[in-house]
Formats: sequence, structure tokens, C-alpha cells
Amino acid sequence: DSGVTQTPKHLITATGQRVTLRCSPRSGDLSVYWYQQSLDQGLQFLIQYYNGEERAKGNILERFSAQQFPDLHSELNLSSLELGDSALYFCASSVWNSYGYTFGSGTRLTVV
Amino acid sequence: AQSVAQPEDQVNVAEGNPLTVKCTYSVSGNPYLFWYVQYPNRGLQFLLKYITGDNLVKGSYGFEAEFNKSQTSFHLKKPSALVSDSALYFCAVRVLNYGGSQGNLIFGKGTKLSVKP
Repeated sequence: DSGVTQTPKHLITATGQRVTLRCSPRSGDLSVYWYQQSLDQGLQFLIQYYNGEERAKGNILERFSAQQFPDLHSELNLSSLELGDSALYFCASSVWNSYGYTFGSGTRLTVV
Repeated sequence: AQSVAQPEDQVNVAEGNPLTVKCTYSVSGNPYLFWYVQYPNRGLQFLLKYITGDNLVKGSYGFEAEFNKSQTSFHLKKPSALVSDSALYFCAVRVLNYGGSQGNLIFGKGTKLSVKP
């Protein structure tokens, strides 16, 4: 167990729907990062939060949004889902300005 | 723009033989480089990092990596491969946010390592 908890582990939903993925960072970590892993695009950085504030944005679609709450857990919201959104979504956390991340085990999203 | 390249989609090695998984990078400034491993249906696990200092970095499970600034490479190595090393390996570089603070990791496409008995 890495200490980063992601729920749910698997999610199957229909096109056009909206889902929320949840991440609880490792105890003491203030930074949360979201990544999307797909076969054709590899690991793509989506967004970074630090202590509730957005710090950096990557290749995140406008249909996707995220937030980090006061208790430091983070949620990634995916809406108007398309077949191409099917992927593994990873959350990682780190102490501010540390060099390494700790990854969660991911949420596998399947859009049908 | 900062980037990482892993030129091999797959590396095949016989158990007991040495292995090398290649990585090259392009960054402005000093690179912060990482290797992660991903086993099937699992998250990424940290193997090792280079921040500064000795060019040969030792990490988990007997892996090491050699930083070569002139060749902008950070190849992952292991003297004697095990079947259990079979997994997906990712090289990554850390970018800096505006203002110089540590930002996100940029990953290579990954290299599938297959170790045969």
C-alpha cells in the first residue's frame, strides 16, 4: 500500500455521462497530481494542486475539472464522457518541493 | 520544451543477463530525472532518482541508472535480470513551475521489459 488511496478502482459508464474520481493523498503530502494513462498517449499530466490551490495545468480537457478540498483529498470530475476517455487515471502526491511522487493504484474508467 | 524519450517499446532479456533500458531527455537547466516501474494492474512505483552528485545512482531491487550530461541520457541498468523484473518502465523528468518551484513529472512512453527464463 503506497498510502495514496484512489476510489473507485473500476468504473464503467455510458457516453455522455459524468463521473467523479477520488484521491486521498499520503499523510503529510500537500501536493496532488492527476495523470491519465492510455495506450496511445502514454502517461499524460492533467493537473496539479497544492494545499487547495491549482498550481499547474497540463493536457486537461475543458470537460474535465478537479479540486482539492480542505482535508487535502482531491476529486477529478469528468463530464460528457466519450469513448476516448477510457483510460487509467492516476493520482499521485508529494510533499511540497520534494523530488519524488507516490502514486495510487489508479481508477480504470471504461466508457461504453 | 522539456521532454523525455524512451526509444525502445520493448526490451527482451534472458534471466541472468544484464539489462539496459534507455532514456534520453531534453530540459532547460539542471535535470531532475526519475525511473518508475509499473506492474500489471498496479500504480507506478519509484525506483530511483538523479538530482545532483554521483552520475551512477543506485535504486530499489538492484537497479541503477547512469546520468550522462553530454549525451543527455539516463539509462536504467541491472547487472543480472530476474523474471520478476518483467514490467513496464518509465523514465521521467521533473519540470519547474513558474517561479522555480517543483512541478509535475513528464514521462516517457514507457518500455516493456520482458525477462525470459
